[in-house]
Amino acid sequence: GQQLNQSPQSMFIQEGEDVSMNCTSSSIFNTWLWYKQDPGEGPVLLIALYKAGELTSNGRLTAQFGITRKDSFLNISASIPSDVGIYFCAGSVYGGATNKLIFGTGTLLAVQP
Amino acid sequence: GAGVSQTPSNKVTEKGKYVELRCDPISGHTALYWYRQSLGQGPEFLIYFQGTGAADDSGLPNDRFFAVRPEGSVSTLKIQRTERGDSAVYLCASSRSGPSSTDTQYFGPGTRLTVL
Repeated sequence: GQQLNQSPQSMFIQEGEDVSMNCTSSSIFNTWLWYKQDPGEGPVLLIALYKAGELTSNGRLTAQFGITRKDSFLNISASIPSDVGIYFCAGSVYGGATNKLIFGTGTLLAVQP
Repeated sequence: GAGVSQTPSNKVTEKGKYVELRCDPISGHTALYWYRQSLGQGPEFLIYFQGTGAADDSGLPNDRFFAVRPEGSVSTLKIQRTERGDSAVYLCASSRSGPSSTDTQYFGPGTRLTVL
């Protein structure tokens, strides 16, 4: 199935560092989402973006919806150990008979105290 | 319950057997979704229900996979003649209303299916 291109694939950083990851698509999306998944759990929504160019923050997290509507990035500032997990971008396809998310390939984040 | 629940949490079966995976959505959510997540990948869409009907089943990989939601609440994903390639985590999600830009999908913890 279709998956969005997400990079980097993994990141190993020190506590306190800033992190940036991005996601690109060959298709246009009207909504971009960023999820975090912990081991043995389902994805949890972090940030939702609804308009091209939109910049949205949620605590130490900041995400932007690209102008072309084909990309998005997520920044995490001052990382802490509990930021460890897998981060997924997702584009939302809705309207008509469908309503589904297309996910990226994921970014594994490891934070060393 | 407070969130989406899925049972069983783990299922081990033999090749060729039939399995059923259950999803209990958040109370009052009319939309329900099934996704499949293979190791090292992001979730991939399987099927979307609006109420009792499957509005979009375009993600089901073949006719061995089938899902129902007879009363518009609990859903069951059914896999016939399982194959080793069916091994994955099967995630269920629900949302309040369905197609809209702000309708958030909430995920359950998943069922890990292993086909030996």
